[in-house]
Amino acid sequence: QQQVKQSPQSLIVQKGGISIINCAYENTAFDYFPWYQQFPGKGPALLIAIRPDVSEKKEGRFTISFNKSAKQFSLHIMDSQPGDSATYFCAASGGGGYQKVTFGTGTKLQVIP
Amino acid sequence: GAVVSQHPSWVICKSGTSVKIECRSLDFQATTMFWYRQFPKQSLMLMATSNEGSKATYEQGVEKDKFLINHASLTLSTLTVTSAHPEDSSFYICSAGRGPDTQYFGPGTRLTVL
Repeated sequence: QQQVKQSPQSLIVQKGGISIINCAYENTAFDYFPWYQQFPGKGPALLIAIRPDVSEKKEGRFTISFNKSAKQFSLHIMDSQPGDSATYFCAASGGGGYQKVTFGTGTKLQVIP
Repeated sequence: GAVVSQHPSWVICKSGTSVKIECRSLDFQATTMFWYRQFPKQSLMLMATSNEGSKATYEQGVEKDKFLINHASLTLSTLTVTSAHPEDSSFYICSAGRGPDTQYFGPGTRLTVL
């Protein structure tokens, strides 16, 4: 059962534009929602993460918006750059103590000049 | 900080041989490490959770005898793919837990079984 749904599967954005990736979860026990960035042939790198007691978290050009009642969260990349071209995974885990991370299906972002 | 390394970064082997992949947390101690498998253009699938000094916990459908995991120290976990076959060819990624929730991922190991 897919517990974290991610969309879109792929995204093309012009340089300087805003990239938006959406995720939805089902398990209300999840209490930690990280986003990972993965370049081809590399392992995922933690980008930004949020907990459900916060509706928004911003780090540089990256912002997570969180809607607890709708069980949805999204990643916004402002002023998208060609170097942001990568695959992005949302994820969720619950309960603390290195709980298993459930990954979304991934979004391949391409930022064109 | 929070660097996780994997060795080797890629390996090619003949069918029937065994391959060992090492995962090391370089600048922190990790009581828990995770092993993932990723097929091209797909998401990461958790294979097993490795706890230092105890047996690994495998996900449903993952063969324990085929994917041997050893977490001998707080900085090293190994995954051995025994009697590898072409269908085992994949990208294997480890991660190490730090803090209450955060996992840091290694760079991955590309396994190709001929």
